[in-house]
Amino acid sequence: IAGITQAPTSQILAAGRRMTLRCTQDMRHNAMYWYRQDLGLGLRLIHYSNTAGTTGKGEVPDGYSVSRANTDDFPLTLASAVPSQTSVYFCASSEVPESTDTQYFGPGTRLTVL
Amino acid sequence: GQNIDQPTEMTATEGAIVQINCTYQTSGFNGLFWYQQHAGEAPTFLSYNVLDGLEEKGRFSSFLSRSKGYSYLLLKELQMKDSASYLCASLDSNYQLIWGAGTKLIIKP
Repeated sequence: IAGITQAPTSQILAAGRRMTLRCTQDMRHNAMYWYRQDLGLGLRLIHYSNTAGTTGKGEVPDGYSVSRANTDDFPLTLASAVPSQTSVYFCASSEVPESTDTQYFGPGTRLTVL
Repeated sequence: GQNIDQPTEMTATEGAIVQINCTYQTSGFNGLFWYQQHAGEAPTFLSYNVLDGLEEKGRFSSFLSRSKGYSYLLLKELQMKDSASYLCASLDSNYQLIWGAGTKLIIKP
């Protein structure tokens, strides 16, 4: 079944550790996005990529980095995790970047930083 | 600043109709999305409006008034499986989605 997969499903991490959240899509979508979702707040964009080889900063990029080596994969790295990065992280994709195209979401990664 | 407002929680009865309101204020406007999110799951697309008026899609309809910065999602013939959070999101001038915090809809038998 086509779609977006994320790994891990959940993770508990000690503060200061490095962590990479994985995201893979098989829809050949050009644009990919990373959001975080916190209770009482709307989804907030961390980073995005309009096409392979390019990335951009969203609303809350500090403490996170991304890469887009190919169309399918868009990993998110926390270089040195802090408790405020405890959240649910969603990866999403859309066929056409910077358009009215629908975004499709992966199942999410629940991250707890202690 | 950019702001999306929607009620935190609503309760409705199975078989009834419920209207979930959303007001938005964003830098530019390229349309309004509604997503459904069941607890512990990913958001899934429900509707997109860019022109004023009502768009009907089965039991769900979505309305937009650009002049008022207002939208609503109308759910008819409510079913227990409609218990979920409903997320309103405005597409701004940079084609980035600005999200509301979501409305948790509780359906009672």
